[in-house]
Amino acid sequence: KNEVEQSPQNLTAQEGEFITINCSYSVGISALHWLQQHPGGGIVSLFMLSSGKKKHGRLIATINIQEKHSSLHITASHPRDSAVYICAVPSNFGNEKLTFGTGTRLTIIP
Amino acid sequence: DTAVSQTPKYLVTQMGNDKSIKCEQNLGHDTMYWYKQDSKKFLKIMFSYNNKELIINETVPNRFSPKSPDKAHLNLHINSLELGDSAVYFCASSQQTDQPQHFGDGTRLSIL
Repeated sequence: KNEVEQSPQNLTAQEGEFITINCSYSVGISALHWLQQHPGGGIVSLFMLSSGKKKHGRLIATINIQEKHSSLHITASHPRDSAVYICAVPSNFGNEKLTFGTGTRLTIIP
Repeated sequence: DTAVSQTPKYLVTQMGNDKSIKCEQNLGHDTMYWYKQDSKKFLKIMFSYNNKELIINETVPNRFSPKSPDKAHLNLHINSLELGDSAVYFCASSQQTDQPQHFGDGTRLSIL
């Protein structure tokens, strides 16, 4: 079964700072998900990636399949980026049942 | 238009009661899911259906019974509610099992 670790658990930064959130997993996977949970509770899928890098606006996700590691970056962070960021991976390769990380609570201070 | 909608948003009820949470998606997706988020905010899969067929059934008490009348709906029925069932329940859908998932806004269930 895949073990997922995220770091840091909590991150507070000033507006404008470059943010990095890390995710490591133990078993080879087909793809990794990054999710954002707003303070109000809603969950949004940000990225699903299986190799390389994806970019959407100020958000960039990278994955290194060999090292079993992914990072989520936020450039020019803004208070509205304050949320919990969660990575999720399949429990086993080819199995789409997701195992979730414990999340990183990001707070951006104006 | 809401893509994945859950009702109710809040559900407060007594221990021992039976309750249902409804989920509907208008995205034309084939796969739907139920997740439970506990008080520590940890998300865990409960069930998944693909084209009305059950494909994932985690170690969930059999008091929980999902029902998929058609591929746009996946309802969750819970019998004999217990204090430990208090959580936020999220419904989600995806085109296929290996595609990004779209989440509902969650149903906060509180057991008194």
